[in-house]
Amino acid sequence: GQQLNQSPQSMFIQEGEDVSMNCTSSSIFNTWLWYKQDPGEGPVLLIALYKAGELTSNGRLTAQFGITRKDSFLNISASIPSDVGIYFCAGQRPGSEKLVFGKGMKLTVNP
Amino acid sequence: EPEVTQTPSHQVTQMGQEVILRCVPISNHLYFYWYRQILGQKVEFLVSFYNNEISEKSEIFDDQFSVERPDGSNFTLKIRSTKLEDSAMYFCASTAGLADTQYFGPGTRLTVL
Repeated sequence: GQQLNQSPQSMFIQEGEDVSMNCTSSSIFNTWLWYKQDPGEGPVLLIALYKAGELTSNGRLTAQFGITRKDSFLNISASIPSDVGIYFCAGQRPGSEKLVFGKGMKLTVNP
Repeated sequence: EPEVTQTPSHQVTQMGQEVILRCVPISNHLYFYWYRQILGQKVEFLVSFYNNEISEKSEIFDDQFSVERPDGSNFTLKIRSTKLEDSAMYFCASTAGLADTQYFGPGTRLTVL
């Protein structure tokens, strides 16, 4: 259905390392979004993807909209301590306004 | 940079009481949304609102919930008779166009005792 499977659920990395996370679905999405959420705050948009195959960067972040329109990944390069938080993927299906969110990936960066 | 604001940041209420959560969307945005996030879980869609009416809602958004845009700037979510399981973070979001990026507010933490 409209479930988004986000993996991994958590990661513990050393400062300077790269990290990758992805989301998959059995349904097609028109839009893929990646948000970061700090404790007690709202999701903050990191990257928005609107076309299948699109690869977009925002500083050390790179995200891709899968060719099949059923998946997306996010890479963070050269992690820093302030990258800690929960990263959510979200998708928007054709004809729907709502965002469907993944369960999130909790990132811990050890200095 | 314009942002979505929400008040209050934390609301504590007794079960059965009515609560109204308030949002001020970004000023030129036309589409408005409410989402909720139960502690430790994913963000879930509640309702979308455009042109003074609900355009889409989830199964969570039952008749205990209502939304309103009482004036040109505020967007509210009312829960008529709160239940313990309504305890969550409630996020407002807005967007300029239907397929545009949704920008989220900082949330209101609702605690139902």
